[in-house]
Amino acid sequence: EVQLVESGGGLVQAGGSLRLSCAASGFTLSNYWMSWVRQAPGKGLEWVATITQDGSEEFYVDSVKGRFTISRDNAQNSLYLQMNSLRAEDMALYYCVRDPLDSWGQGTLVTVSS
Amino acid sequence: QAGLTQPPSVSKGLRQTATLTCTGNSNNVGYQGAPWLQQHQGHPPKLLSYRNNNRPSGISERFSASRSGNTASLTITGLQPEDEADYYCSAWDSSLRAWVFGGGTKLTVL
Repeated sequence: EVQLVESGGGLVQAGGSLRLSCAASGFTLSNYWMSWVRQAPGKGLEWVATITQDGSEEFYVDSVKGRFTISRDNAQNSLYLQMNSLRAEDMALYYCVRDPLDSWGQGTLVTVSS
Repeated sequence: QAGLTQPPSVSKGLRQTATLTCTGNSNNVGYQGAPWLQQHQGHPPKLLSYRNNNRPSGISERFSASRSGNTASLTITGLQPEDEADYYCSAWDSSLRAWVFGGGTKLTVL
């Protein structure tokens, strides 16, 4: 059974940093592109970032470019999202997602206080 | 990044058929098709159809996806109370090198 378990969310002040982690199991992580998708309270889904199977390419939504970094460790079956210079508009539930969006974690909540 | 266009809400009666639409362009929906996602309140999204319109294992045959040009559609037959949810279309945009989502359609089953 495919499982994606996010962790690392929490309360942070504006301008601060957080590192999200996603533990993958039930499949071979190195065979898949992986993404982070977020959802602000009461809002729709917003794609954040995607990384290719071997980590050679990364793609980001414009609003996080230069602030967020997606990475992976296939040997550790893990996906990461380093988030720096956090803003109020980054507050959301962050989902770890296997491409092409066929498996989702339960999400980890990021709260940014101003 | 520009998103896909979905109607905000659709209401249909029990056992009726609902068709949800999603409009993009030749770089996204028209390029590789559009996966559809269902999200119940308080739960993560669940994939209903792959970009090639095939259903993942365990998804009811009452859900069927199709595409014509730059518009994707999700048809739900024999509506049940548990079908009441938010539905999102998505697509990989080959020009933006990004996933794009629709704003979501809230389906109400009367």
